[in-house]
Amino acid sequence: DTGVSQDPRHKITKRGQNVTFRCDPISEHNRLYWYRQTLGQGPEFLTYFQNEAQLEKSRLLSDRFSAERPKGSFSTLEIQRTEQGDSAMYLCASSLGLAGGNEQFFGPGTRLTVL
Amino acid sequence: GQQLNQSPQSMFIQEGEDVSMNCTSSSIFNTWLWYKQDPGEGPVLLIALYKAGELTSNGRLTAQFGITRKDSFLNISASIPSDVGIYFCAGQPGGYQKVTFGIGTKLQVIP
Repeated sequence: DTGVSQDPRHKITKRGQNVTFRCDPISEHNRLYWYRQTLGQGPEFLTYFQNEAQLEKSRLLSDRFSAERPKGSFSTLEIQRTEQGDSAMYLCASSLGLAGGNEQFFGPGTRLTVL
Repeated sequence: GQQLNQSPQSMFIQEGEDVSMNCTSSSIFNTWLWYKQDPGEGPVLLIALYKAGELTSNGRLTAQFGITRKDSFLNISASIPSDVGIYFCAGQPGGYQKVTFGIGTKLQVIP
């Protein structure tokens, strides 16, 4: 499978715990994006990377959220001290970027439930 | 965060009917995108539009990039049961920037 993959697909955690999600983009895509989607809404932008550089962060990304893409390939999104309001689907997308095409291709998402 | 105005929010149609949905924005976009999302899955790109006035087809789907750059529409012809899902419009101000999504149109097809 050469699409965007995300792990885990589902995560249930207790309030106050830390969670980490992983995204593997399409091979050779140099742009990687994280979005959050709550029930009945469209995805909302969180942050994006050009290779290993994090170039933009949304105001939705509070201090408890951190994203990394250390080698410009896979990315992780960590949420510290989770709150019930963090319950959502976390989506990752990638694109070739630059002259290679800007269409964003999404992974299947990680559904987070905070109890 | 900002979301685009997408209508209708839901629709029930008979199999074989044509469907039309649209999306408007208060901002200008240089790219309009249409995605379909099935329950528990990520959005799947259907059509990408890059020029004002552009009309693009993908099988039974046709989408147009509005002349003002502030709107787009999607038509589905001769609907079939597997068209069921949520359709999202999305806009990009520039090619490298974040995508802003609509709230979605939930489509249900009655066989």
